[in-house]
Order: sequence, then structure tokens, then C-alpha cells
Amino acid sequence: AQTVTQSQPEMSVQEAETVTLSCTYDTSENNYYLFWYKQPPSRQMILVIRQEAYKQQNATENRFSVNFQKAAKSFSLKISDSQLGDTAMYFCAFISRNSGNTPLVFGKGTRLSVIA
Amino acid sequence: GAGVSQSPRYKVAKRGQDVALRCDPISGHVSLFWYQQALGQGPEFLTYFQNEAQLDKSGLPSDRFFAERPEGSVSTLKIQRTQQEDSAVYLCASSQTGAEAFFGQGTRLTVV
Repeated sequence: AQTVTQSQPEMSVQEAETVTLSCTYDTSENNYYLFWYKQPPSRQMILVIRQEAYKQQNATENRFSVNFQKAAKSFSLKISDSQLGDTAMYFCAFISRNSGNTPLVFGKGTRLSVIA
Repeated sequence: GAGVSQSPRYKVAKRGQDVALRCDPISGHVSLFWYQQALGQGPEFLTYFQNEAQLDKSGLPSDRFFAERPEGSVSTLKIQRTQQEDSAVYLCASSQTGAEAFFGQGTRLTVV
């Protein structure tokens, strides 16, 4: 079974600064995707960024980038130029691609506060 | 529709009552997932549909939980004889390819 671990329950960052959220995972599979989701108080999960395991290049979406270390099973999220609207819960998630549609496996989340 | 829609957004139930939670997925999405998110935790998988077929219900915590998707679009999660431990946010997600899931805003269930 796959597991996802987020070891930072809470983080804070000053506006315009950079912050990195950590995530490690455990799997014996070779074909999978990793995601970071943002959940604001409205509760809707919003996809921030996705990484395919077979791609060596780290994914980037505007101010958001990942550091994907496949051998170490590490998948951290870097948020540059933090904005007040980035305040939310952030969840790291794993999905297997080996057998059709499978459910996401989530970590427990990191609560990020961006301080003005 | 434009996104995944869930109703109601909030539900308060007395212990022992039955509740029904509705999910309207994105039109044409084959896959539909239900997750349960306890306070301060990440979502946990409950059940999965491909069209009208329930392919995986391994996450349902007890036989009081039942889900259906009779016509392959709208899905209903039913909880019978609710207990306090059922209090949580229930999230629905739909997907076409499995590479990206789109979530609704969830239903917050409070059992008193």
C-alpha cells in the first residue's frame, strides 16, 4: 500500500518570500503521478501542480515548482513570491497509474499562513 | 456543468438519522470518487465508480455507508443511522483520464 507523509503540520512565511513544503511517499510501483493540492477555507481542493514519475524534469507552474527526487521518494513544493491568497491547507497526493483509475492517496496536510 | 457540484454544503443530523449526500460530476466524466475528510486530516478514499459500476468500495467504514450512481452521472452517498464519528467533510471528485481529479466543495456533515 502507498503512503504519503507530510511532516510539517504548520508553516508560515512572510509575504513575497519563498517557502518549501515537504512530502515523502512510499511505494513499490514505478508508474505513478504526484500532486500538490491547495484547500482554502471554502474546502474545494484545487490542483496546484502535477508531476509524472517517468519525467525527470521538475514540474513548474508560475510561482509553484517541485523538487522531485524519485530515488529518495521525496516531492517538495516551493512557493516563490508568496501571496496572501496562498494561505490554505496544502496536501501532497499520490496516484498509481498501473491499473486503470485508482484513488488518490493523500498526506495529512500542511497549513500554510502567509503573513503581511 | 462547469464543475463538480455537491449538495447540501452543510448538513446537521441527529444521531441515528439517515442522510443522503449528492454529487453532480463534470458532464462526461467516467470516474467518480467519494472521500471522507475528518477535521485536520487529509481526505481518505471511500468508494469509486466507473460509469454506473461501483468498482471499489473498500474504503467504506461500515455497512451503514452506501453509494450509488444508477445512470452513470449523479451519485448519492447515503449514511444510515448516523453516529458522531461520521462527522466529517465528504468530498466528491470526478475524472476523465485519471491523471487529474476535479473536486467539489464538499458537504460538511455534523452529527449531534
